[in-house]
Amino acid sequence: TAGITQAPTSQILAAGRSMTLRCTQDMRHNAMYWYRQDLGLGLRLIHYSNTAGTTGKGEVPDGYSVSRANTDDFPLTLASAVPSQTSVYFCASSAGTSNEELFFGEGSRLTVL
Amino acid sequence: GQNIDQPTEMTATEGAIVQINCTYQTSGFNGLFWYQQHAGEAPTFLSYNVLDGLEEKGRFSSFLSRSKGYSYLLLKELQMKDSASYLCAVSDSNYQLIWGAGTKLIIKP
Repeated sequence: TAGITQAPTSQILAAGRSMTLRCTQDMRHNAMYWYRQDLGLGLRLIHYSNTAGTTGKGEVPDGYSVSRANTDDFPLTLASAVPSQTSVYFCASSAGTSNEELFFGEGSRLTVL
Repeated sequence: GQNIDQPTEMTATEGAIVQINCTYQTSGFNGLFWYQQHAGEAPTFLSYNVLDGLEEKGRFSSFLSRSKGYSYLLLKELQMKDSASYLCAVSDSNYQLIWGAGTKLIIKP
């Protein structure tokens, strides 16, 4: 079973360029999340979606946008990348929104030069 | 502010027992999670505690004391494959997860 699929696995991007990280899940989970993971810091929530058609801002939303047109897909867009957005990005999903186990994708390593 | 503290790194010997501590200060508490993350891979769920006490699951156990804002993950009969980072996360009053920076566990033969 695929679970959560992220693409691309890694990407080098010039500052100022735009980029969309893709995330697809096949578990019919209601909730989806985007996190970034940086050395020495805990996972930080960028944006989330509790159900298709709704999105919300997390702890570090600036410079990122998301959409949730259907249950399966939750893309993350960087409109104009900056070097501080260099990070590993994880997409995750959960069946519900109250203390549910998170299932993570394999991550997308993004380097902004 | 909200804060989760874990040791940055720990070293243990194959076959031994290791305890990884996590202390937290959060606005509200709706449970505590432990995840395992191997280098270069995604985090995977290990345990969830919402009531005080010890939850045992095979070689891994997790303990919670809500009054002390404290949890630990106990790993027994350590194997080389247990070398990984262990992430502590607390669900706050809004069910938002607050994550610790993780503890890197190194297992030596």
